[in-house]
Amino acid sequence: ETGVTQTPRHLVMGMTNKKSLKCEQHLGHNAMYWYKQSAKKPLELMFVYNFKEQTENNSVPSRFSPECPNSSHLFLHLHTLQPEDSALYLCASSQVGTGAYEQYFGPGTRLTVT
Amino acid sequence: DAKTTQPNSMESNEEEPVHLPCNHSTISGTDYIHWYRQLPSQGPEYVIHGLTSNVNNRMASLAIAEDRKSSTLILHRATLRDAAVYYCIPTLSSNTGKLIFGQGTTLQVKP
Repeated sequence: ETGVTQTPRHLVMGMTNKKSLKCEQHLGHNAMYWYKQSAKKPLELMFVYNFKEQTENNSVPSRFSPECPNSSHLFLHLHTLQPEDSALYLCASSQVGTGAYEQYFGPGTRLTVT
Repeated sequence: DAKTTQPNSMESNEEEPVHLPCNHSTISGTDYIHWYRQLPSQGPEYVIHGLTSNVNNRMASLAIAEDRKSSTLILHRATLRDAAVYYCIPTLSSNTGKLIFGQGTTLQVKP
């Protein structure tokens, strides 16, 4: 595997379900991110992790719970979601601390909440 | 974070150059200017970045105004595969690496 991978690619869940999104980066980066992209809206940054520590939570509701067990893996645990949470969830990674940087994005998980 | 203004959409003919403008009049002296693009049904991908000088890479060129309040992404020969949403994003070099995406410019390329 190369780059940033995300699983599953598609997910349909009911409002009472609990599910998790997984992201893995194979680039040796030290920072990982979750973004949300709703229809007809710009990408919204949700969480930032640097060296496994959460450094940014962009006022995300607690029904979204991130976990970063190591610098290569990032999870987004979902529970009691609402239909308006249906969106494309994108994971990204980068190497910060070296000036300007590139972020590499995964293909995303298309989430539908019914 | 610096605010940006980009046209909502632009059209180009295949094989012709495309100039995508971005205004970032509130940019600070240490903000880099990044450009990303998002092809249909894909995550965004990095295109290019710069600070003060013009920059070239295999994908595009970036022309930065002398006062840094605007920049232009140049695709020298547009192809159908360049049809995407293009985002101009000022970023601090010292921050956690976060990107703040705006609406971007939707580029259509006609054969």
